[in-house]
Amino acid sequence: QKEVEQNSGPLSVPEGAIASLNCTYSDRGSQSFFWYRQYSGKSPELIMSIYSNGDKEDGRFTAQLNKASQYVSLLIRDSQPSDSATYLCAAEEFGGYQKVTFGTGTKLQVIP
Amino acid sequence: DTGVSQNPRHKITKRGQNVTFRCDPISEHNRLYWYRQTLGQGPEFLTYFQNEAQLEKSRLLSDRFSAERPKGSFSTLEIQRTEQGDSAMYLCASSLGLAGVYQETQYFGPGTRLLVL
Repeated sequence: QKEVEQNSGPLSVPEGAIASLNCTYSDRGSQSFFWYRQYSGKSPELIMSIYSNGDKEDGRFTAQLNKASQYVSLLIRDSQPSDSATYLCAAEEFGGYQKVTFGTGTKLQVIP
Repeated sequence: DTGVSQNPRHKITKRGQNVTFRCDPISEHNRLYWYRQTLGQGPEFLTYFQNEAQLEKSRLLSDRFSAERPKGSFSTLEIQRTEQGDSAMYLCASSLGLAGVYQETQYFGPGTRLLVL
């Protein structure tokens, strides 16, 4: 059973702080990783994708991947109340057609 | 709007009834996915199409569930003899599906929220 593990939270951070979200995965063959943001009652929207070890930055968001440790993280700098949502980590299963396994999500609360 | 669309957005039905949901992917996308999401959980993979071919079905997809993508464009997901446990958000996603490319982004539709009474 391929798994993606996340702390369900809630993770509370003050406005302007850095929010750090973590994820581990069990399938060593996974090559692609994604962070989705999901507001309550809405569908997931892609925040970041990462395929190589190291950091990938996009605006206030930085994704970090460590394949040796099977660990993915998302940093959100200068957190805003509008960042309050559930963040889903997803890993693509190795072996072809892009079957993606999602974690249960971490709920982030940014306190004004 | 050129995103993924789903209809209906909400469906309330009685136990034992059949329901059908529709998904229209982004027009140039060849791959289409169905997921189910319950409260507090991440989306769970149900099935996947490459053009009109259904290439994978999850063990979660019982015999009461069937999906089609007859012309490689829109897709339908039918649930027969609904049960209360089928209550969930049903999400559709699509991706480009370029040959030999696997690192693709899936774009989600707004979902269909099903409530079985």
